[in-house]
Amino acid sequence: DAGVTQSPTHLIKTRGQQVTLRCSPISGHKSVSWYQQVLGQGPQFIFQYYEKEERGRGNFPDRFSARQFPNYSSELNVNALLLGDSALYLCASRVPTEGDGYTFGSGTRLTVV
Amino acid sequence: SQQGEEDPQALSIQEGENATMNCSYKTSINNLQWYRQNSGRGLVHLILIRSNEREKHSGRLRVTLDTSKKSSSLLITASRAADTASYFCATGRSNNAGNMLTFGGGTRLMVKP
Repeated sequence: DAGVTQSPTHLIKTRGQQVTLRCSPISGHKSVSWYQQVLGQGPQFIFQYYEKEERGRGNFPDRFSARQFPNYSSELNVNALLLGDSALYLCASRVPTEGDGYTFGSGTRLTVV
Repeated sequence: SQQGEEDPQALSIQEGENATMNCSYKTSINNLQWYRQNSGRGLVHLILIRSNEREKHSGRLRVTLDTSKKSSSLLITASRAADTASYFCATGRSNNAGNMLTFGGGTRLMVKP
């Protein structure tokens, strides 16, 4: 089985632009979460989606939005990019039962110049 | 904001030695998880310990949890050069869709051959 897949792997954008990051969860996983990891820090929770509905949102501005599709894949959108949005964006999927951790993708490295 | 704080921030040991990393957190939790990350890539789930458990083992890993002190420790026994990575604790807050994780800043472990 394929793991969590994210695309693209690397991306360079200019301040003010918009970006869309994509994630495909493990087959059968209905819960998808997004995390932002700034260099040298731990990941920070952005969004959680389950069955196409937003179930949790972290402390991020409205420039960040996401959605989940019927096949449980997900997109993270960031508008009006700032230099501080440069980070590794991680997607994770999980079967929503106790006892198991999340499976993370390899991430998308976003650089804003 | 980061819930968990790892200690030490960096650790350098010789191959064969044991490595101990500590994590403190602030609020009540459903579970605590440890993850490993190699060179800014995706996170790999290592072990999950529930709030009603005190100790858990998985291979060369031993995790303890003290909810009265809001702290956890990860012990890696007989370390190998391949254990070189960053290790993160993450506290889980459950809802119907799963856990939303709050990560600490991580411990960077270097195991010298």
